[in-house]
Amino acid sequence: DAKTTQPNSMESNEEEPVHLPCNHSTISGTDYIHWYRQLPSQGPEYVIHGLTSNVNNRMASLAIAEDRKSSTLILHRATLRDAAVYYCILSGGSQGNLIFGKGTKLSVKP
Amino acid sequence: GAVVSQHPSRVICKSGTSVKIECRSLDFQATTMFWYRQFPKQSLMLMATSNEGSKATYEQGVEKDKFLINHASLTLSTLTVTSAHPEDSSFYICSARDRRTGGAVGGNTIYFGEGSWLTVV
Repeated sequence: DAKTTQPNSMESNEEEPVHLPCNHSTISGTDYIHWYRQLPSQGPEYVIHGLTSNVNNRMASLAIAEDRKSSTLILHRATLRDAAVYYCILSGGSQGNLIFGKGTKLSVKP
Repeated sequence: GAVVSQHPSRVICKSGTSVKIECRSLDFQATTMFWYRQFPKQSLMLMATSNEGSKATYEQGVEKDKFLINHASLTLSTLTVTSAHPEDSSFYICSARDRRTGGAVGGNTIYFGEGSWLTVV
């Protein structure tokens, strides 16, 4: 599975936008970009995913570079509840399984 | 979003005994489910992929005779930790692929359960 690279940690202020970067320079043409987040002692929560075009949903936006070698998860207004570890994962292959990296730990300051 | 439920959320068992964890997709049929293990302050590690009606596919280094996976129906997969030992104590998480959410397999949304804490004493 192709790998992703994310910063270990990021900080944000409450009610400000947050841009979480992810590099995936070895992405293949059929790999989807998925984002999940995880709170301590909970299972990961689905955030968003996309293939080529930018995607928006009620939780976040996903901006995908034209060459697909990087993407950015955008939280438009961070809240304290958004503090979590965010994982950027590529999904492809016959089973579409998700291989987790270390993710980015997002801290949100009031 | 779709819901995946695990049971039990916490279990304590004695060393040498076996324990079963259930994973259910509550509002969709899941032909494929996945089992992960997560140690404290580490990321999730994929253990196996479970397909309904067929044998599970285990990741390298995962003992198939120790971690028995059964996916007997489209809404239920079970993980049985056999002859558990203290080093098996961990957070076990299942997930299920929702085929309704996209054409290509990689584009399907995968929903995760709440996780199950296993403590072997």
